[in-house]
Amino acid sequence: AQSVTQPDIHITVSEGASLELRCNYSYGATPYLFWYVQSPGQGLQLLLKYFSGDTLVQGIKGFEAEFKRSQSSFNLRKPSVHWSDAAEYFCAVGAYSSASKIIFGSGTRLSIRP
Amino acid sequence: NAGVTQTPKFQVLKTGQSMTLQCAQDMNHEYMSWYRQDPGMGLRLIHYSVGAGITDQGEVPNGYNVSRSTTEDFPLRLLSAAPSQTSVYFCASSRAAGMNTEAFFGQGTRLTVV
Repeated sequence: AQSVTQPDIHITVSEGASLELRCNYSYGATPYLFWYVQSPGQGLQLLLKYFSGDTLVQGIKGFEAEFKRSQSSFNLRKPSVHWSDAAEYFCAVGAYSSASKIIFGSGTRLSIRP
Repeated sequence: NAGVTQTPKFQVLKTGQSMTLQCAQDMNHEYMSWYRQDPGMGLRLIHYSVGAGITDQGEVPNGYNVSRSTTEDFPLRLLSAAPSQTSVYFCASSRAAGMNTEAFFGQGTRLTVV
């Protein structure tokens, strides 16, 4: 069975600083990996996804993530955060055989310090 | 495109009442899912469907029923509401498995059981 761990519940960074949100997954085969963002009171928006190929994937809003099979990680990064990046971020893993059975981590809430 | 539409957006129920949360998608997606979101727990999968007439249980199915009579609709039924079912519910849809796909989410239904 798949599982996802996001070890950081809440992170605060200064505007303009770099950001890295951690995600570790557990899955027996090659996973599908996703990062979603949720602004307050909103649904979830896909930031980026990894299915195969290049392990560094680029997403929207200047985000990127790197798949590291040896570490079972898929950390999200951004070189310089903006105040509008304040939101909750979810890492998720999907099984190749069932795209609908996507399992989410518990989320990391990002606050931006002016 | 409307995408994934959930109704209602807000609902208050009394303990023991039943109700149906509606979810419809217009993207001809085969896969549909229901999640509940609770603070500090991320999104947990309730039920999912891989196509019309086929449903399966997720991580937290107890107290909920689903059916999938058409490709477009995937209603979630609460049989006898309990305060523990107070949550925000999200419906998601995605294309067939084994393809380059992602889940699209509705805006959520905030349910309070008193």
